[in-house]
Amino acid sequence: AQSVTQLDSQVPVFEEAPVELRCNYSSSVSVYLFWYVQYPNQGLQLLLKYLSGSTLVKGINGFEAEFNKSQTSFHLRKPSVHISDTAEYFCAVKGTGGFKTIFGAGTRLFVKA
Amino acid sequence: DTAVSQTPKYLVTQMGNDKSIKCEQNLGHDTMYWYKQDSKKFLKIMFSYNNKELIINETVPNRFSPKSPDKAHLNLHINSLELGDSAVYFCASSPPSGGGHEQYFGPGTRLTVT
Repeated sequence: AQSVTQLDSQVPVFEEAPVELRCNYSSSVSVYLFWYVQYPNQGLQLLLKYLSGSTLVKGINGFEAEFNKSQTSFHLRKPSVHISDTAEYFCAVKGTGGFKTIFGAGTRLFVKA
Repeated sequence: DTAVSQTPKYLVTQMGNDKSIKCEQNLGHDTMYWYKQDSKKFLKIMFSYNNKELIINETVPNRFSPKSPDKAHLNLHINSLELGDSAVYFCASSPPSGGGHEQYFGPGTRLTVT
C-alpha cells in the first residue's frame, strides 16, 4: 500500500517569489509520482509526472519537481510565481503494478500581490 | 471537444431521493474512476472500471452503485441520499497500461443534499 503526506496545508507567497510545495510518500513497491493542480471550481489537471529516468521533472506553467528516492520525497518548485498560480495542488502516488492512485490532502498555494 | 464530461454540473436534492450522475470520456481510455471530494478538498477514490469491469470498490455504502455500459461511460447512481453525501464528485479516466498512468478529470458535479 502507498501513502502520501503533503507537509503544508497552506502556503502563502508573494508574487514573483519562489515556492516549494513539499510531498513525502511511503510505499513497499516502486511507484509513479504525480502533481496535479485544481483551480477553483474545476477538476484536477496534471502538472507533471515521474515515471522513470531523470529525477528532475519539468511540467507545465514553469513548475518542476525532483524525485528523491532515499528521502521518499517529490517536492514541487517554481522559481517565480504569478497570481494565476493560486490554486490547490495535489501530490499523488501510484504503485507501478497497480490501478489505484493515492492523493495527498492538498496544499493551497495563495499568491499575494 | 471536451475530454471528460460530467452531467449535471450542479445537483441539489432532498434527503431520501435517488439521483444519477453521468460521465463520458472521448479519449479512448479504458479505465474510468469516481472520486468524492469533501469540503476540505480531500479526494477519495470510490470506484474504478477497466474495460467495463469493476476493479476498485472502496468502502462505499451500498447506496452508491456505479454502472459502465461501455468503455467510454461510467455513471454513478445514488439511492436514499443523505446529508453526508454532499460533496463534489469527480469522474476521471486513464489510458491503457503502458500509457502515461496519469488521470484526466472531469469538471465535477457538486451535489448538495438538503
